[in-house]
Amino acid sequence: SQLAEENPWALSVHEGESVTVNCSYKTSITALQWYRQKSGEGPAQLILIRSNEREKRNGRLRATLDTSSQSSSLSITATRCEDTAVYFCATVYSGGSNAKLTFGKGTKLSVKS
Amino acid sequence: AQTIHQWPVAEIKAVGSPLSLGCTIKGKSSPNLYWYWQATGGTLQQLFYSITVGQVESVVQLNLSASRPKDDQFILSTEKLLLSHSGFYLCAWSLVDRGSTGQLYFGEGSKLTVL
Repeated sequence: SQLAEENPWALSVHEGESVTVNCSYKTSITALQWYRQKSGEGPAQLILIRSNEREKRNGRLRATLDTSSQSSSLSITATRCEDTAVYFCATVYSGGSNAKLTFGKGTKLSVKS
Repeated sequence: AQTIHQWPVAEIKAVGSPLSLGCTIKGKSSPNLYWYWQATGGTLQQLFYSITVGQVESVVQLNLSASRPKDDQFILSTEKLLLSHSGFYLCAWSLVDRGSTGQLYFGEGSKLTVL
């Protein structure tokens, strides 16, 4: 079973609109990361939010973390066509040498002009 | 600056044929290295990880093997490809330190099509 899961499965917005992707997870975590993967490329980390943080920002991106409900959200404001990608949340539940990162299935975001 | 390079970018192979995919990391000494597999439209599944030269741990059994012949090189291979091996293979590295929050730095990936 998935340890992290994003919803919705897919989203479509117009440029300039804001959008939020949600993530729920099932384990106690040390941190949660949001990655973006554009078509044909490897994923790139957007935001890392530690378990003792509630909110983190990176430009137009804002991530929240609620450890009591084991959920996180990633909001993108003023979306652009280049934000079109699959967005993954990934949870870190080991501080050992194999930094075990478990990815969800992703949310496919389409931004239309 | 660290760079990660994967090769080949894409391969089309026949069922039953051998495969070798490679990954090189420059600018980082003794990183943790990982192989991930991604089916089309799917999630990222960790296959192998390595914390040092010569040591590779298998996470999922998919009739694949991995080796780390040098500190900066990670190889994924199989003697006999299956149709189910098709997908996108991603190499990644992370910091070794304990307490690391596990950020992964991915390569550009190798797309494999098995016919």
